[in-house]
Amino acid sequence: GAGVSQSPRYKVAKRGQDVALRCDPISGHVSLFWYQQALGQGPEFLTYFQNEAQLDKSGLPSDRFFAERPEGSVSTLKIQRTQQEDSAVYLCASSLLAVSGANVLTFGAGSRLTVL
Amino acid sequence: ELKVEQNPLFLSMQEGKNYTIYCNYSTTSDRLYWYRQDPGKSLESLFVLLSNGAVKQEGRLMASLDTKARLSTLHITAAVHDLSATYFCAVGTNAGKSTFGDGTTLTVKP
Repeated sequence: GAGVSQSPRYKVAKRGQDVALRCDPISGHVSLFWYQQALGQGPEFLTYFQNEAQLDKSGLPSDRFFAERPEGSVSTLKIQRTQQEDSAVYLCASSLLAVSGANVLTFGAGSRLTVL
Repeated sequence: ELKVEQNPLFLSMQEGKNYTIYCNYSTTSDRLYWYRQDPGKSLESLFVLLSNGAVKQEGRLMASLDTKARLSTLHITAAVHDLSATYFCAVGTNAGKSTFGDGTTLTVKP
């Protein structure tokens, strides 16, 4: 596609519900990143995929967070038993190459999650 | 742990004036990014700086990198209203992830 597409754009969940956020990267992009952006703060790294391999998940805040990219294209970030502190914008970004050199990221518009 | 600090966090400028946003980081890195974010929108890549002394310019924005001082600057020349946005610096590593500053919200007033 022309850009990185994320859905849903907005999600309201009751505390304890599970949510799934989808990211469609630019076609052919090897690297895919998930970031979490709280209100008024910079994005914080969650996890990184190179094709279907999850190479770094050090930023996932708890075992309630799970990400996958089974066929090396679309990725899903799943949050189980959501808590209020999970409320944030979840950003997906992709880049053409594996991580090296300039590695310019193209970000999606984000999925805004509000947990009540 | 890598820390990235931007200052100022909020900046109100008059049109036509010049100003500089500073980005300090705590550990050695080999790449520095600047992004722009408009309210409710995605992050847009502005510059990638890869080496000590690197300078890049696009329109009224110029970014520079001093790896010895662990400092990058984003200089705004003759600001115009269209530059109003939040600007983030981010420090990247070969491992892939980038660590972002908290952003500088720029408001350019007539």
